[in-house]
Amino acid sequence: AQSVTQPDIHITVSEGASLELRCNYSYGATPYLFWYVQSPGQGLQLLLKYFSGDTLVQGIKGFEAEFKRSQSSFNLRKPSVHWSDAAEYFCAVVPRLNSGGSNYKLTFGKGTLLTVNP
Amino acid sequence: EADIYQTPRYLVIGTGKKITLECSQTMGHDKMYWYQQDPGMELHLIHYSYGVNSTEKGDLSSESTVSRIRTEHFPLTLESARPSHTSQYLCASSPLGGQGPFKAFFGQGTRLTVV
Repeated sequence: AQSVTQPDIHITVSEGASLELRCNYSYGATPYLFWYVQSPGQGLQLLLKYFSGDTLVQGIKGFEAEFKRSQSSFNLRKPSVHWSDAAEYFCAVVPRLNSGGSNYKLTFGKGTLLTVNP
Repeated sequence: EADIYQTPRYLVIGTGKKITLECSQTMGHDKMYWYQQDPGMELHLIHYSYGVNSTEKGDLSSESTVSRIRTEHFPLTLESARPSHTSQYLCASSPLGGQGPFKAFFGQGTRLTVV
């Protein structure tokens, strides 16, 4: 079955430490891949996306993500976490259709809650 | 900055009441979506629209209904609220064409509690 999985429900890191949030997908063809962040009381904000090309994608707020086809993964990373990064992070996919198009419908993982300790 | 608004932000209502969650966007986007997010669970698409007079069911079955009479407005209605409807509801919009469909903007959400 098609799915997007975020194995870590909750991660705690210290401020200044590095961060990696995991995302795995199970689709026949590599879907379009996204990372969103949801801060308390806010809507979802797009951090970055991968469509094709360079497998290392740079996003906003110092985040990057690496697409690894062999592992069906799209992990989000940040070298040094700031207290303001505490939020919930969602990996999302839009499937590619056999026709080469897309249904444009985002499917989200369950999210990873990030806590940042001072 | 995204110009998509949801009201109310929080709603506590009794069982059996009819409620409408409002969603408006000022970006002229053709596509609009409603997602439902239960605590600790993923977001599920429950409704979407490609434009005026277009509405489709999403991946998750929902007892709610939607309408799209104007481009900027995509309200969601529950005719008779039940405790099982307690959830967060997120509205989103995106333009049509090119990479536009992937540039979804999200509202701040409506947290609904049915008692």
